[in-house]
Amino acid sequence: KNEVEQSPQNLTAQEGEFITINCSYSVGISALHWLQQHPGGGIVSLFMLSSGKKKHGRLIATINIQEKHSSLHITASHPRDSAVYICAVFKGGAQKLVFGQGTRLTINP
Amino acid sequence: DAGVTQSPTHLIKTRGQQVTLRCSPKSGHDTVSWYQQALGQGPQFIFQYYEEEERQRGNFPDRFSGHQFPNYSSELNVNALLLGDSALYLCASSFIGSGQREKLFFGSGTQLSVL
Repeated sequence: KNEVEQSPQNLTAQEGEFITINCSYSVGISALHWLQQHPGGGIVSLFMLSSGKKKHGRLIATINIQEKHSSLHITASHPRDSAVYICAVFKGGAQKLVFGQGTRLTINP
Repeated sequence: DAGVTQSPTHLIKTRGQQVTLRCSPKSGHDTVSWYQQALGQGPQFIFQYYEEEERQRGNFPDRFSGHQFPNYSSELNVNALLLGDSALYLCASSFIGSGQREKLFFGSGTQLSVL
């Protein structure tokens, strides 16, 4: 079983819909990152979380340390949000990231 | 201010050959980590370099080696290439003093194809 699991693996929605992507992890972590990867490979860091909730524009990320779960929400989704969204954690005090498999999001006009 | 830069962007090699990939970290960063991302999968940690030494390593064979230079740039070397080494190789940089409290910065990756 992967230490970081994301769901769903694939998500297709219509423009304007509210999107939720989930991430569960089975190890102790010091921080969790949400990343966005567009076709062609480039990865952009969206959020770093160690507790609570963060918001940036239409994106909201939450984390529940006790439940070992994080969610990424997108409000008023747009076709340009189409990308792979990846959850990654730093295990304990380690400096290496453990990644989830990613969620491929497609927003149709 | 340039972000993380990687070269080359694409590379085609044949089985048994050797390859060197390069990464320049974001200005002010001193730590470089390398990741391998197979098609349709999340990235896998290869190793991390700080102060010109390998600090941590993932589950990769000794065919994968690296180096960090005094200017903090880094190379990833893969010897005796196998078809299964075909992947996107990503580099990420950070500043060790910030711990894990800052956003991550990734390069655009090198797409390696082994024929």
